[in-house]
Amino acid sequence: AAGVIQSPRHLIKEKRETATLKCYPIPRHDTVYWYQQGPGQDPQFLISFYEKMQSDKGSIPDRFSAQQFSDYHSELNMSSLELGDSALYFCASSLGDRGPYEQYFGPGTRLTVT
Amino acid sequence: AQSVTQLGSHVSVSEGALVLLRCNYSSSVPPYLFWYVQYPNQGLQLLLKYTTGATLVKGINGFEAEFKKSETSFHLTKPSAHMSDAAEYFCAVSVYNQGGKLIFGQGTELSVKP
Repeated sequence: AAGVIQSPRHLIKEKRETATLKCYPIPRHDTVYWYQQGPGQDPQFLISFYEKMQSDKGSIPDRFSAQQFSDYHSELNMSSLELGDSALYFCASSLGDRGPYEQYFGPGTRLTVT
Repeated sequence: AQSVTQLGSHVSVSEGALVLLRCNYSSSVPPYLFWYVQYPNQGLQLLLKYTTGATLVKGINGFEAEFKKSETSFHLTKPSAHMSDAAEYFCAVSVYNQGGKLIFGQGTELSVKP
């Protein structure tokens, strides 16, 4: 079965650079979530989209922005990168954003900021 | 607001022994509860979930969890541990009509000794 695809899997950037992470949800899934997992930490919710509209917003820095496109894929744009942005970034997708819909997680993008 | 507390950041059991991972939640409205497993350098995989109905939930790989409203708990158990169960386990909560985002506990690392 098709899973959530994230690219790239690994990314190394320098401070103050920008990064773009991409997420391709499972076909027919209309909701995308982004989570950030720091070293030894639990995943923290960043932002979500339902039917291409922002659905909810968590602890996402103003330096970050995201959107969901017409084909439902999503991109997380990160600017003015800081050392503290080094983390594993997960994308998850589900069908709908209201009920207890199961979220399927991608393998994550490991971002290292040097 | 919702929150999750996992008691014990690290649990070690012998192969064949009972696995018990503890999770307590806080929610002002009926919660949806989830257990996810994360293997090293991988994404999160859903083990099981509780939404409504039967309070004893069975999941994959022989795991089960019981929702106890009076104790605000959702502990994860497995009768007999296998070496392949060694991983990080996260308990998570979400609620209806609030965007579906998952609030995770701090995680419990399970080690299985031969």
